Amino acid sequence: GAVVSQHPSRVICKSGTSVKIECRSLDFQATTMFWYRQFPKQSLMLMATSNEGSKATYEQGVEKDKFLINHASLTLSTLTVTSAHPEDSSFYICSASPHGQGIAGELFFGEGSRLTVL
Amino acid sequence: KQEVTQIPAALSVPEGENLVLNCSFTDSAIYNLQWFRQDPGKGLTSLLLIQSSQREQTSGRLNASLDKSSGRSTLYIAASQPGDSATYLCAVKRDTGFQKLVFGTGTRLLVSP
Repeated sequence: GAVVSQHPSRVICKSGTSVKIECRSLDFQATTMFWYRQFPKQSLMLMATSNEGSKATYEQGVEKDKFLINHASLTLSTLTVTSAHPEDSSFYICSASPHGQGIAGELFFGEGSRLTVL
Repeated sequence: KQEVTQIPAALSVPEGENLVLNCSFTDSAIYNLQWFRQDPGKGLTSLLLIQSSQREQTSGRLNASLDKSSGRSTLYIAASQPGDSATYLCAVKRDTGFQKLVFGTGTRLLVSP
């Protein structure tokens, strides 16, 4: 199957700093990528839909100025947590679907990035 | 708004047992349903994908069924093994042209030797 890579897998930062997480589709192009957040022992909550070459679409309740998403190419989307606080500590997972498959496209998931804000 | 619920939330069984995990969704207008496995601190591994027109899918010891009209899916695991211990998530995709998945609450499975 297709491979989606996330980096870094773990990051620890001080409160007030910004952290960038990368999501790459390694062997396919993805017009759309999705960013999820997962709290301990809870399910995945969709944060935003990242669209190549245009603005991301955020889910209700997600602060777009807090979680900056950039999808500059068909293989890379980045999530930047700005001015991070301890409550932003979470597991962030991205997913991507091969370009051109539309709604029928299977979504492939990255390995996740665990953010800890001290 | 689509809501996906999984029962039970946690399950502990001895090795060798057959078991059933349940998933229910409130809006039957789905494109497909997918079952995932998640190991602690890891990403998601896709297990089975059922299109809305299908009734079931099988892969090895896993069998997933879908009753779209009643908003239910089950994942059957035969002859469970300790290596099956993980969290199992179901997710549904809407049929409105978007690719967004709505995830269930998950079932944490522990299979003891």
